[in-house]
Amino acid sequence: DAKTTQPNSMESNEEEPVHLPCNHSTISGTDYIHWYRQLPSQGPEYVIHGLTSNVNNRMASLAIAEDRKSSTLILHRATLRDAAVYYCILPEGGSEKLVFGKGTKLTVNP
Amino acid sequence: GAGVSQTPSNKVTEKGKYVELRCDPISGHTALYWYRQSLGQGPEFLIYFQGTGAADDSGLPNDRFFAVRPEGSVSTLKIQRTERGDSAVYLCASSSYIHNEQFFGPGTRLTVL
Repeated sequence: DAKTTQPNSMESNEEEPVHLPCNHSTISGTDYIHWYRQLPSQGPEYVIHGLTSNVNNRMASLAIAEDRKSSTLILHRATLRDAAVYYCILPEGGSEKLVFGKGTKLTVNP
Repeated sequence: GAGVSQTPSNKVTEKGKYVELRCDPISGHTALYWYRQSLGQGPEFLIYFQGTGAADDSGLPNDRFFAVRPEGSVSTLKIQRTERGDSAVYLCASSSYIHNEQFFGPGTRLTVL
């Protein structure tokens, strides 16, 4: 799988926006960018995915750089329930397995 | 609707014993995945089923690990001659079709004493 690089940890205050970066400089043209998150003591949870265009859903927005070598997951208003480890994943085309790195541990301060 | 369920939630066993971990995917999901997660690490892929067949078992660490999905629904992960290094949370996920999101269960925490 294309490798991703994420900061180990980030902090945010409640009700403020959070921008979680991911670098994937070796991404290929067919690689989708997936984001999952894992709340404490739970299994991972899908957040969002995209290929080239920016994507929005009820949980978050995904901003993809024009050269696709980086992306940013945006939580518009962080809540305490958003405290989790966020994983940026690039499954290879045709491969169904997700290769998780260590992700970014997001702490949300009240 | 019901999500992915896994049983048992916790399993404590002794070194050398055999264990079975069960996964019930979301009804109608044809793809099923097993991962394991050690403390402080991200989940690690083990095996992927499409229907009844194992489409990718490249993540199984050795021949002590085996998984089946005989009717294309429930899956069982089997570990023979357990070792202390097998202690981890074993996660199961399912999805409805290629490139769709994977829905994860809560996991089974396996402890090998």
